[in-house]
Amino acid sequence: RKEVEQDPGPFNVPEGATVAFNCTYSNSASQSFFWYRQDCRKEPKLLMSVYSSGNEDGRFTAQLNRASQYISLLIRDSKLSDSATYLCVVATFENTPLVFGKGTRLSVIA
Amino acid sequence: DAGVIQSPRHEVTEMGQEVTLRCKPISGHNSLFWYRQTMMRGLELLIYFNNNVPIDDSGMPEDRFSAKMPNASFSTLKIQPSEPRDSAVYFCASSLSRGYTFGSGTRLTVV
Repeated sequence: RKEVEQDPGPFNVPEGATVAFNCTYSNSASQSFFWYRQDCRKEPKLLMSVYSSGNEDGRFTAQLNRASQYISLLIRDSKLSDSATYLCVVATFENTPLVFGKGTRLSVIA
Repeated sequence: DAGVIQSPRHEVTEMGQEVTLRCKPISGHNSLFWYRQTMMRGLELLIYFNNNVPIDDSGMPEDRFSAKMPNASFSTLKIQPSEPRDSAVYFCASSLSRGYTFGSGTRLTVV
């Protein structure tokens, strides 16, 4: 079983739609949680960290459920520029390796 | 800061040749990570260093792969001899505390 599992998609949604991604992680010792975004042929870039209390950054909302070892990302009012692969990422401690899911591909269509 | 710098950006080589990938981490970052990304397996950790010391190389596929970090500002990943199945994008990342930054990657094609 992979440490971080995500639905690979693709998710094809119209502009303005709300889309949700989920992931599960297997290592209960994980302490840090993130969503990264990766554009085609580019490096992964941090979208947002995920906290137990949940957090929001504009149109993006991330939630963490430690008991279920489950992380989610909600994107509201999708834009064409949101088209990318979204990677669910966990780490145990600071400066330890990030463990990546294989990513969920999102295409926002005009 | 210029960010994490990797070279070359693209490398095409023949099977059996030696390949050396280079990485310059962000100044002041004390951890460095080498990852490999393929369509089939996604992003996988190969090896990481803390304060220039290799901590975990269990992700290195086999003896053909080796990595060094001779000082805080430079690391290399070497493949010798290279094989077609090594074709992938290789990313270097550095971190300090919880901030991780990736380089632009080296796209390796072994023919």
